Amino acid sequence: SAVISQKPSRDICQRGTSLTIQCQVDSQVTMMFWYRQQPGQSLTLIATANQGSEATYESGFVIDKFPISRPNLTFSTLTVSNMSPEDSSIYLCSLRQEGIDTQYFGPGTRLTVL
Amino acid sequence: GDSVTQMEGPVTLSEEAFLTINCTYTATGYPSLFWYVQYPGEGLQLLLKATKADDKGSNKGFEATYRKETTSFHLEKGSVQVSDSAVYFCALTGVGGGFKTIFGAGTRLFVKA
Repeated sequence: SAVISQKPSRDICQRGTSLTIQCQVDSQVTMMFWYRQQPGQSLTLIATANQGSEATYESGFVIDKFPISRPNLTFSTLTVSNMSPEDSSIYLCSLRQEGIDTQYFGPGTRLTVL
Repeated sequence: GDSVTQMEGPVTLSEEAFLTINCTYTATGYPSLFWYVQYPGEGLQLLLKATKADDKGSNKGFEATYRKETTSFHLEKGSVQVSDSAVYFCALTGVGGGFKTIFGAGTRLFVKA
């Protein structure tokens, strides 16, 4: 399976600021996804990051709050904008190879907003 | 809609005890089924999977059998260790030809020495 890295691994941010999370994969992948995991909760899909086009957002998530870039087949970023304490979560990058049904996850970015 | 239901945690066991974490699903079509594990402070790791009815996935002493007749995929281990303490997520994907993965709520397991 592909190796997925995320940066930063954790951060503590002030209310009203923005943070960009990077996801790097060691091979080309078709599908990349961003998830949020709130404390003690399961995973919620934020959006599918499409290479060369705009991301596809799930209900309850909007581009202004969570802009996503996917400049190539090995890299994506998620920005959490104008943060509030409710944004404190683990943010996970995930990928799925074409024709394979299994998703693989990065180590996550643990975000705390004060 | 499609969904995954897991038994609520936390589950607390003594070392070497038998583990069962129940998982049932609702889906149209023929999904693939997964168990993921999340150790403290880490991301999700694939533990095992099964892609069709009666398949058994296994890894690290854990097993789960895809039961279409009961729409279940229960996770079992014969003898747990302290290092198995983690959160376990049941999931399904491939529903209706789509690519989304649907996760259960997760079950936290504590294993005492």
